[in-house]
Amino acid sequence: ETGVTQTPRHLVMGMTNKKSLKCEQHLGHNAMYWYKQSAKKPLELMFVYSLEERVENNSVPSRFSPECPNSSHLFLHLHTLQPEDSALYLCASSHDSASNTGELFFGEGSRLTVL
Amino acid sequence: AQKITQTQPGMFVQEKEAVTLDCTYDTSDQSYGLFWYKQPSSGEMIFLIYQGSYDEQNATEGRYSLNFQKARKSANLVISASQLGDSAMYFCAMREGVTGGSYIPTFGRGTSLIVHP
Repeated sequence: ETGVTQTPRHLVMGMTNKKSLKCEQHLGHNAMYWYKQSAKKPLELMFVYSLEERVENNSVPSRFSPECPNSSHLFLHLHTLQPEDSALYLCASSHDSASNTGELFFGEGSRLTVL
Repeated sequence: AQKITQTQPGMFVQEKEAVTLDCTYDTSDQSYGLFWYKQPSSGEMIFLIYQGSYDEQNATEGRYSLNFQKARKSANLVISASQLGDSAMYFCAMREGVTGGSYIPTFGRGTSLIVHP
């Protein structure tokens, strides 16, 4: 496999469920990101991990919990979500260095519906 | 204040014609990067083109070119010879300085492009 892979592609869950989104990159990148994309809203940065350490957390509610066990994997653990959390969750990776342009490589997203 | 402004929520173009998608940005950094991404209905964001703030030439990638006007802080995307497959959302993004060892990109709200046959 190449690129950035996200699973599952679609997820429907109740407000009391616990689920996880998974992201895997095979590009040798050193930074990974979670974005939330809701209808009619700008792309929202949720979490950034650089070299497996969280460097950015944009005041995301605690019902979203990220985990980055190594530079190739990123998880987003979900629990007691609200219907307004329904959105497309995009994972991305990049290679951050002074000599790189640093473009993001995105996965195809996980479409989450909270009932 | 918005760092990236895309004023065109929707654009229509005839197949084989050129189209310009507008993007203005706001930064006080001297070193920054500007990107354009395409998002088809499948959801994946696809990187199209990059322009560095110190690059004197406008970036080009195949049918895509970036019209970089530094003094105006604009970075418009020009798509030449539009194809039906170009119908998608297009996002302008900017990368500024480093936070905690990582560059944090900011995205605009996007422009929906529809190409008519």
